[in-house]
Amino acid sequence: EPEVTQTPSHQVTQMGQEVILRCVPISNHLYFYWYRQILGQKVEFLVSFYNNEISEKSEIFDDQFSVERPDGSNFTLKIRSTKLEDSAMYFCASSSSSRGTNTIYFGEGSWLTVV
Amino acid sequence: DQQVKQNSPSLSVQEGRISILNCDYTNSMFDYFLWYKKYPAEGPTFLISISSIKDKNEDGRFTVFLNKSAKHLSLHIVPSQPGDSAVYFCAASLWDKIIFGKGTRLHILP
Repeated sequence: EPEVTQTPSHQVTQMGQEVILRCVPISNHLYFYWYRQILGQKVEFLVSFYNNEISEKSEIFDDQFSVERPDGSNFTLKIRSTKLEDSAMYFCASSSSSRGTNTIYFGEGSWLTVV
Repeated sequence: DQQVKQNSPSLSVQEGRISILNCDYTNSMFDYFLWYKKYPAEGPTFLISISSIKDKNEDGRFTVFLNKSAKHLSLHIVPSQPGDSAVYFCAASLWDKIIFGKGTRLHILP
């Protein structure tokens, strides 16, 4: 079964450093997402991406965050200058459509620890 | 702003019995509702969804009921099995994003 893959599975970084989280969405999917889950809290929407541009973003997704699809297969989330509160599990997801029954498939997550 | 609410952080159910997980929402513009299951250190896995124009959808042991007037949906799992022990997230779809509830941890007791 096709799956969304994410790297790294775990990254520890110093506060203020830049971090890039990488994702390979399912190959025929057109919509891409990043979510995050701070330990003990709910899964939160960060951003959706379609047709090489951001289609929607949450208030969490401030100027420190950016997303890119540098080639036909990778989808990246960059955090420019990490803060302690950025420590969370970051989930990449993709779907063939933005709506309803077209399931969003999630990756296994990248656990980011900012120290 | 909790648009999707799961008021029970945890639920314990005897194996073989019915598990009922509840969810309330506030935004009448949501067009699809979804349930995801999540094991520790894994991404959420899609279980079942329902369109806002339906009131019931069934898939094997899983049934989702939607009460639009009450802005309430529920997931029924019957019979409950040990492998069902996980965190269950209720979610709602609004255009290009899915909004998740905080989750309910389901424990299936032997």
